[in-house]
Amino acid sequence: EAGVTQFPSHSVIEKGQTVTLRCDPISGHDNLYWYRRVMGKEIKFLLHFVKESKQDESGMPNNRFLAERTGGTYSTLKVQPAELEDSGVYFCASSQGKGWDTGELFFGEGSRLTVL
Amino acid sequence: LAKTTQPISMDSYEGQEVNITCSHNNIATNDYITWYQQFPSQGPRFIIQGYKTKVTNEVASLFIPADRKSSTLSLPRVSLSDTAVYYCLVGEIGYQKVTFGTGTKLQVIP
Repeated sequence: EAGVTQFPSHSVIEKGQTVTLRCDPISGHDNLYWYRRVMGKEIKFLLHFVKESKQDESGMPNNRFLAERTGGTYSTLKVQPAELEDSGVYFCASSQGKGWDTGELFFGEGSRLTVL
Repeated sequence: LAKTTQPISMDSYEGQEVNITCSHNNIATNDYITWYQQFPSQGPRFIIQGYKTKVTNEVASLFIPADRKSSTLSLPRVSLSDTAVYYCLVGEIGYQKVTFGTGTKLQVIP
């Protein structure tokens, strides 16, 4: 079974440009999460989808970030316009619905964003 | 969410048992304790989860005392491939708005 896949693995853009990160969760997982680690800091929650609906987006840093999950399948995270402080690694994770034993999160390998 | 405290780093020789302790003094009644492992350039990977006493799986054991204010991840006979960062998380199952904390960087030495 395929795991969580993220694309691109690494993106280098200039300040002011736009970048779109994509995440394909494990098939059948209703929950999809975005996290990020900016340079030298901890991994922090950004937002949570249940199917196509945003359950919690309290971790989104500002309105330059837009996440979508059309049809409840894959998700995109757009940063527009990108700023230097947006550099870091963006992780996507998915899990089965609430009520499963562990609520285990399955993470992708991350998308590294470098803003110059 | 309960805040966790772990040692920043640990070294161990191959073949030894490694115990990593996490403090979570304000853990709530509904909170579970979950440990993740992260290798460089990869996303975190679930290792083990528990609520109280002892949990064991094919990878590790998790010891939780009666007051649940701390927990210890035990890795038996570590190998070089166990070199990674280990994160302790505390929260309700299904509540995934978590911050991973600094984690413990385990370095296994030949």
